[in-house]
Amino acid sequence: DTAVSQTPKYLVTQMGNDKSIKCEQNLGHDTMYWYKQDSKKFLKIMFSYNNKELIINETVPNRFSPKSPDKAHLNLHINSLELGDSAVYFCASSPSAKGRGYYNEQFFGPGTRLTVL
Amino acid sequence: DAKTTQPTSMDCAEGRAANLPCNHSTISGNEYVYWYRQIHSQGPQYIIHGLKNNETNEMASLIITEDRKSSTLILPHATLRDTAVYYCIVRPQYNFNKFYFGSGTKLNVKP
Repeated sequence: DTAVSQTPKYLVTQMGNDKSIKCEQNLGHDTMYWYKQDSKKFLKIMFSYNNKELIINETVPNRFSPKSPDKAHLNLHINSLELGDSAVYFCASSPSAKGRGYYNEQFFGPGTRLTVL
Repeated sequence: DAKTTQPTSMDCAEGRAANLPCNHSTISGNEYVYWYRQIHSQGPQYIIHGLKNNETNEMASLIITEDRKSSTLILPHATLRDTAVYYCIVRPQYNFNKFYFGSGTKLNVKP
């Protein structure tokens, strides 16, 4: 059983298009995340949702809009795609930090490789 | 946020212990040290974390110096499947859900 799944695994599209990446977790976690890993392999957090509420919004262009219909899903919609958006996007989830002290473990999905031509 | 410094790459012979160092000299008192790894073309995988004491689980051991300014991840018997990039991360004190991944250490386990 896949804990954190993402679709699609690969996405090739033209500049200016709008695309979405979907993420689902079946772990019962309260918190979900989107990360971007660029060509230099640096992994940077983009967004975090806790129980459908946005709690982290790093410096990301507003062309990127996360949407959480329920706490098991966090989708990423990207408008007007640019060449620099080409990267691997990872979704992750973790138990809520509430009542669990100062730590949590994040479970990552397999990634979506986005290529903008 | 405390920053971490790791060697770019390391080699290890299969079956031997792999010791991966990490410096985090500006770590704060309540910040935890986490280790994740990323095998090629996969998502990062949690390995272990600790605050002050040494920790051990089925995957690895974490040794944290007394001053907490550095730590070492130990894979006791490295296998070829342990070849990956290993990230040492210090989690910000009051932000439970923020992780900053640096450049990591590429561990090459060789037969």
